[in-house]
Amino acid sequence: AQSVAQPEDQVNVAEGNPLTVKCTYSVSGNPYLFWYVQYPNRGLQFLLKYITGDNLVKGSYGFEAEFNKSQTSFHLKKPSALVSDSALYFCAVRGSNNNAGNMLTFGGGTRLMVKP
Amino acid sequence: DAGVIQSPRHEVTEMGQEVTLRCKPISGHNSLFWYRQTMMRGLELLIYFNNNVPIDDSGMPEDRFSAKMPNASFSTLKIQPSEPRDSAVYFCASSLVSQGRRTGELFFGEGSRLTVL
Repeated sequence: AQSVAQPEDQVNVAEGNPLTVKCTYSVSGNPYLFWYVQYPNRGLQFLLKYITGDNLVKGSYGFEAEFNKSQTSFHLKKPSALVSDSALYFCAVRGSNNNAGNMLTFGGGTRLMVKP
Repeated sequence: DAGVIQSPRHEVTEMGQEVTLRCKPISGHNSLFWYRQTMMRGLELLIYFNNNVPIDDSGMPEDRFSAKMPNASFSTLKIQPSEPRDSAVYFCASSLVSQGRRTGELFFGEGSRLTVL
């Protein structure tokens, strides 16, 4: 079985400061990892993914994420937060194992609040 | 591309009524997913299809829920009879997945907000 944990329900950060949203995972085989963002009354939007290669992945809107295999983590980061980054963020995982199917397993979400 | 299209965006109905939610995936995508989002349980996978065939429906809450995908461009999620605890936002998502490669991201629709009174 595959699972994702986002240990923080909410992260508060001041505008201009760096932000980190944490994610750890459990999966069979190599992980395919994803971050999504959800704005109010909208669907989830894809931010970035890690499949293989460089552990630091860059995505949309200046976000990046670092894959750490030993810690089974995939934390989302941004060097300088904007008020407009305030939203709900979801981490998701899919295993490379053939038995994993095509489904993504999502974490519970972390609400990011960026204050001016 | 118009993206994943869901209808209706909002539905308010009374307990016991039948509800049908509709989804048009992105053209060319071969996997389709139905998710439900609530404050209490977060984002739950209900069912997913690969090449129009249901692969995993273990997330479907009970027999009141059913999903179909008659062709590659259309899917429905039906609740009959509906109950207040079914109130949630239902999302449809699609993806392109080829044999042995499951690296594609999901593209979500805007969701259907269901309120059962």
